[in-house]
Amino acid sequence: QQPVQSPQAVILREGEDAVINCSSSKALYSVHWYRQKHGEAPVFLMILLKGGEQKGHDKISASFNEKKQQSSLYLTASQLSYSGTYFCGLGGSEKLVFGKGTKLTVNP
Amino acid sequence: DTAVSQTPKYLVTQMGNDKSIKCEQNLGHDTMYWYKQDSKKFLKIMFSYNNKELIINETVPNRFSPKSPDKAHLNLHINSLELGDSAVYFCASSQVVSGSYNEQFFGPGTRLTVL
Repeated sequence: QQPVQSPQAVILREGEDAVINCSSSKALYSVHWYRQKHGEAPVFLMILLKGGEQKGHDKISASFNEKKQQSSLYLTASQLSYSGTYFCGLGGSEKLVFGKGTKLTVNP
Repeated sequence: DTAVSQTPKYLVTQMGNDKSIKCEQNLGHDTMYWYKQDSKKFLKIMFSYNNKELIINETVPNRFSPKSPDKAHLNLHINSLELGDSAVYFCASSQVVSGSYNEQFFGPGTRLTVL
């Protein structure tokens, strides 16, 4: 089942904060976050596992609410380099199912 | 050193032709994937191999045939190409630990254009 991401797009000025949400209709086992810059491959940001374990970058934070079947990615004090499309992927036993992405644009 | 590499980077071909895309990873991972990203940027898994064994085969036309000669390589052969096959194809790899799937490393992608 494909996760639902919101918002679809967001435009920020440098230094502003953003939250990207990822919701599932099924119980979550793990949530993966990736960022894809235009013309490039997706790059891993973070994994959140059931039970609270997280693996990822120090400068990016995320939450994982098992009860609400939702994950949120927090981008604080955004930089120009944060621009790109952010994908959440729901991890099952064998594969990731990605959402449609959230396009983030950070302007000077 | 490139972790996951794909060749070619661009592929332009006529409808009806057969083409192959190659992928290699030097990370020592045991699982490799093929994804298709369409013009709307939707990233959809096609196939997954674990230690050369096919473990995921999504609803993909049988014109697409993956082959994994060894753990480090996963190739994709496409027969009788159609206009709708135009997309960017990404190869990825990861290491599975105790049934838990870790971060995936993506190759640079192959942009396939079918005319």
